[in-house]
Amino acid sequence: TQLLEQSPQFLSIQEGENLTVYCNSSSVFSSLQWYRQEPGEGPVLLVTVVTGGEVKKLKRLTFQFGDARKDSSLHITAAQPGDTGLYLCAGISNDYKLSFGAGTTVTVRA
Amino acid sequence: DADVTQTPRNRITKTGKRIMLECSQTKGHDRMYWYRQDPGLGLRLIYYSFDVKDINKGEISDGYSVSRQAQAKFSLSLESAIPNQTALYFCATSDLKGAGIQTDEQFFGPGTRLTVL
Repeated sequence: TQLLEQSPQFLSIQEGENLTVYCNSSSVFSSLQWYRQEPGEGPVLLVTVVTGGEVKKLKRLTFQFGDARKDSSLHITAAQPGDTGLYLCAGISNDYKLSFGAGTTVTVRA
Repeated sequence: DADVTQTPRNRITKTGKRIMLECSQTKGHDRMYWYRQDPGLGLRLIYYSFDVKDINKGEISDGYSVSRQAQAKFSLSLESAIPNQTALYFCATSDLKGAGIQTDEQFFGPGTRLTVL
Protein backbone atom coordinates (compact mmCIF):
# COMPACT_ATOMS: atom_id res chain seq x y z
CA THR A 1 0.00 0.00 0.00
CA GLN A 2 1.37 3.39 -1.03
CA LEU A 3 1.75 5.91 1.78
CA LEU A 4 1.16 8.64 -0.79
CA GLU A 5 -1.50 8.22 -3.46
CA GLN A 6 -1.15 10.21 -6.65
CA SER A 7 -3.93 10.84 -9.14
CA PRO A 8 -4.41 10.55 -11.95
CA GLN A 9 -1.84 7.93 -12.91
CA PHE A 10 -1.75 9.15 -16.52
CA LEU A 11 -2.73 12.50 -18.02
CA SER A 12 -2.63 13.48 -21.69
CA ILE A 13 -3.59 17.00 -22.72
CA GLN A 14 -3.23 19.43 -25.60
CA GLU A 15 -0.68 22.23 -25.52
CA GLY A 16 -2.18 25.32 -23.88
CA GLU A 17 -4.55 23.44 -21.58
CA ASN A 18 -4.32 23.43 -17.80
CA LEU A 19 -3.81 20.37 -15.60
CA THR A 20 -3.79 19.44 -11.93
CA VAL A 21 -2.07 16.49 -10.26
CA TYR A 22 -3.03 15.40 -6.76
CA CYS A 23 -1.05 13.78 -3.96
CA ASN A 24 -2.97 12.46 -0.96
CA SER A 25 -2.15 10.63 2.26
CA SER A 26 -3.70 9.74 5.59
CA SER A 27 -0.37 10.62 7.22
CA VAL A 28 0.91 14.02 8.26
CA PHE A 29 4.24 15.11 6.79
CA SER A 30 6.68 17.71 8.06
CA SER A 31 7.16 18.78 4.45
CA LEU A 32 6.38 17.62 0.95
CA GLN A 33 8.37 17.71 -2.25
CA TRP A 34 7.54 17.51 -5.93
CA TYR A 35 10.04 16.00 -8.38
CA ARG A 36 9.96 15.70 -12.16
CA GLN A 37 11.58 12.78 -13.97
CA GLU A 38 12.33 12.50 -17.69
CA PRO A 39 13.03 9.20 -19.50
CA GLY A 40 16.53 7.90 -18.86
CA GLU A 41 17.18 10.32 -16.02
CA GLY A 42 16.75 10.53 -12.28
CA PRO A 43 14.10 12.71 -10.62
CA VAL A 44 14.89 16.40 -10.19
CA LEU A 45 13.44 18.49 -7.36
CA LEU A 46 10.93 21.15 -8.38
CA VAL A 47 9.79 22.48 -5.01
CA THR A 48 9.53 21.82 -1.28
CA VAL A 49 6.50 22.99 0.69
CA VAL A 50 6.77 23.14 4.45
CA THR A 51 3.87 25.07 5.98
CA GLY A 52 0.26 23.89 5.96
CA GLY A 53 -1.69 25.95 3.42
CA GLU A 54 1.48 27.10 1.69
CA VAL A 55 1.32 27.99 -1.99
CA LYS A 56 4.46 28.23 -4.13
CA LYS A 57 4.71 29.30 -7.74
CA LEU A 58 7.42 28.33 -10.20
CA LYS A 59 6.66 30.09 -13.49
CA ARG A 60 3.54 28.27 -14.81
CA LEU A 61 3.58 25.68 -12.01
CA THR A 62 1.64 26.25 -8.77
CA PHE A 63 2.14 23.96 -5.78
CA GLN A 64 -0.12 23.84 -2.75
CA PHE A 65 0.31 22.05 0.58
CA GLY A 66 -2.91 21.15 2.36
CA ASP A 67 -3.80 22.86 5.62
CA ALA A 68 -3.47 19.56 7.51
CA ARG A 69 -0.16 18.73 5.76
CA LYS A 70 -1.53 15.45 4.40
CA ASP A 71 -2.04 16.38 0.77
CA SER A 72 -0.69 18.53 -2.02
CA SER A 73 -1.49 19.54 -5.56
CA LEU A 74 0.47 20.62 -8.60
CA HIS A 75 -1.27 22.84 -11.14
CA ILE A 76 0.26 23.65 -14.53
CA THR A 77 -1.18 26.58 -16.48
CA ALA A 78 -1.00 26.64 -20.28
CA ALA A 79 0.97 23.40 -20.48
CA GLN A 80 3.73 23.06 -23.04
CA PRO A 81 5.33 19.95 -24.59
CA GLY A 82 8.39 20.59 -22.41
CA ASP A 83 6.24 19.89 -19.35
CA THR A 84 5.96 16.25 -20.41
CA GLY A 85 7.37 13.89 -17.80
CA LEU A 86 6.73 11.82 -14.68
CA TYR A 87 5.74 13.95 -11.68
CA LEU A 88 6.45 12.46 -8.27
CA CYS A 89 5.41 13.72 -4.87
CA ALA A 90 7.45 12.78 -1.82
CA GLY A 91 6.56 13.30 1.83
CA ILE A 92 9.16 13.82 4.55
CA SER A 93 8.04 12.34 7.86
CA ASN A 94 9.02 13.46 11.33
CA ASP A 95 11.73 10.75 11.42
CA TYR A 96 13.25 12.32 8.28
CA LYS A 97 12.34 9.51 5.88
CA LEU A 98 11.24 10.30 2.34
CA SER A 99 8.23 8.38 0.96
CA PHE A 100 7.39 8.68 -2.73
CA GLY A 101 4.08 8.41 -4.51
CA ALA A 102 3.80 6.19 -7.60
CA GLY A 103 3.87 9.21 -9.91
CA THR A 104 1.71 10.82 -12.58
CA THR A 105 2.81 10.53 -16.20
CA VAL A 106 1.97 13.77 -17.99
CA THR A 107 1.99 14.01 -21.78
CA VAL A 108 1.47 17.39 -23.44
CA ARG A 109 0.68 17.11 -27.14
CA ALA A 110 1.81 19.84 -29.52
CA ASP B 1 30.40 16.15 -15.56
CA ALA B 2 27.50 14.61 -13.67
CA ASP B 3 27.54 15.11 -9.89
CA VAL B 4 26.09 11.64 -9.16
CA THR B 5 27.19 8.80 -11.41
CA GLN B 6 26.07 5.19 -11.50
CA THR B 7 27.70 2.18 -13.11
CA PRO B 8 26.70 0.20 -15.01
CA ARG B 9 23.79 1.99 -16.72
CA ASN B 10 22.33 -1.28 -17.98
CA ARG B 11 22.87 -4.85 -16.86
CA ILE B 12 21.33 -8.16 -17.81
CA THR B 13 22.12 -11.10 -15.57
CA LYS B 14 20.85 -14.53 -14.67
CA THR B 15 19.10 -15.82 -11.58
CA GLY B 16 21.53 -16.67 -8.79
CA LYS B 17 24.33 -14.38 -9.95
CA ARG B 18 25.94 -11.82 -7.64
CA ILE B 19 25.63 -8.26 -8.90
CA MET B 20 27.13 -4.99 -7.66
CA LEU B 21 25.85 -1.57 -8.63
CA GLU B 22 28.12 1.35 -7.91
CA CYS B 23 27.44 4.99 -7.14
CA SER B 24 29.90 7.86 -6.93
CA GLN B 25 29.27 11.52 -6.13
CA THR B 26 31.31 14.68 -6.37
CA LYS B 27 28.84 16.86 -4.44
CA GLY B 28 30.56 16.34 -1.09
CA HIS B 29 27.30 15.20 0.49
CA ASP B 30 27.20 13.08 3.63
CA ARG B 31 23.94 11.26 2.95
CA MET B 32 23.53 8.63 0.25
CA TYR B 33 20.54 6.46 -0.68
CA TRP B 34 19.62 3.52 -2.89
CA TYR B 35 16.09 3.27 -4.37
CA ARG B 36 14.40 0.96 -6.81
CA GLN B 37 11.69 2.13 -9.18
CA ASP B 38 8.98 -0.14 -10.55
CA PRO B 39 6.09 0.90 -12.81
CA GLY B 40 3.07 1.86 -10.73
CA LEU B 41 4.99 1.67 -7.44
CA GLY B 42 7.17 4.75 -7.55
CA LEU B 43 10.52 4.88 -5.76
CA ARG B 44 11.09 2.63 -2.77
CA LEU B 45 14.01 3.02 -0.38
CA ILE B 46 16.37 0.04 -0.11
CA TYR B 47 19.20 1.34 2.11
CA TYR B 48 20.52 4.70 3.23
CA SER B 49 23.68 6.02 4.86
CA PHE B 50 24.07 9.29 6.72
CA ASP B 51 27.86 9.04 6.87
CA VAL B 52 30.65 6.52 6.22
CA LYS B 53 30.05 4.62 9.47
CA ASP B 54 26.26 4.68 9.26
CA ILE B 55 24.15 2.15 7.31
CA ASN B 56 20.38 1.83 7.67
CA LYS B 57 17.78 -0.45 6.14
CA GLY B 58 14.99 1.06 4.13
CA GLU B 59 11.55 -0.38 3.47
CA ILE B 60 12.66 -3.15 1.08
CA SER B 61 16.19 -4.24 2.13
CA ASP B 62 15.68 -8.03 1.95
CA GLY B 63 17.90 -9.57 -0.73
CA TYR B 64 20.19 -6.53 -0.87
CA SER B 65 23.32 -5.35 0.93
CA VAL B 66 25.34 -2.14 0.74
CA SER B 67 28.83 -0.85 1.39
CA ARG B 68 29.85 2.76 2.04
CA GLN B 69 33.49 2.66 1.02
CA ALA B 70 34.06 6.40 1.35
CA GLN B 71 32.04 9.57 1.62
CA ALA B 72 31.78 9.64 -2.16
CA LYS B 73 31.02 5.96 -2.85
CA PHE B 74 28.02 3.80 -1.99
CA SER B 75 27.56 0.40 -3.63
CA LEU B 76 24.53 -1.88 -3.71
CA SER B 77 24.89 -5.66 -3.98
CA LEU B 78 22.45 -8.37 -4.89
CA GLU B 79 24.02 -11.52 -3.44
CA SER B 80 21.88 -13.91 -5.46
CA ALA B 81 19.75 -12.10 -8.00
CA ILE B 82 16.16 -13.17 -8.64
CA PRO B 83 13.77 -12.10 -11.43
CA ASN B 84 11.60 -9.91 -9.19
CA GLN B 85 14.65 -7.72 -8.59
CA THR B 86 14.35 -6.59 -12.20
CA ALA B 87 13.89 -2.82 -11.87
CA LEU B 88 15.40 0.61 -12.35
CA TYR B 89 17.81 1.42 -9.51
CA PHE B 90 18.66 4.95 -8.43
CA CYS B 91 21.35 6.30 -6.16
CA ALA B 92 20.74 9.68 -4.52
CA THR B 93 22.60 12.08 -2.25
CA SER B 94 21.61 14.88 0.09
CA ASP B 95 23.44 17.40 2.17
CA LEU B 96 23.07 17.38 5.92
CA LYS B 97 25.25 20.43 6.46
CA GLY B 98 23.46 23.72 6.15
CA ALA B 99 20.16 22.21 5.04
CA GLY B 100 17.18 22.02 7.31
CA ILE B 101 15.92 18.51 7.83
CA GLN B 102 12.53 19.53 6.50
CA THR B 103 13.92 20.56 3.13
CA ASP B 104 16.27 17.66 2.48
CA GLU B 105 16.64 17.88 -1.33
CA GLN B 106 17.83 14.67 -2.89
CA PHE B 107 20.05 14.62 -6.00
CA PHE B 108 19.62 11.53 -8.13
CA GLY B 109 21.95 9.68 -10.45
CA PRO B 110 20.83 8.64 -13.94
CA GLY B 111 19.81 5.14 -12.84
CA THR B 112 20.82 1.56 -13.58
CA ARG B 113 18.39 -0.65 -15.49
CA LEU B 114 18.81 -4.20 -14.15
CA THR B 115 17.20 -7.23 -15.75
CA VAL B 116 17.37 -10.61 -14.03
CA LEU B 117 16.50 -13.53 -16.31
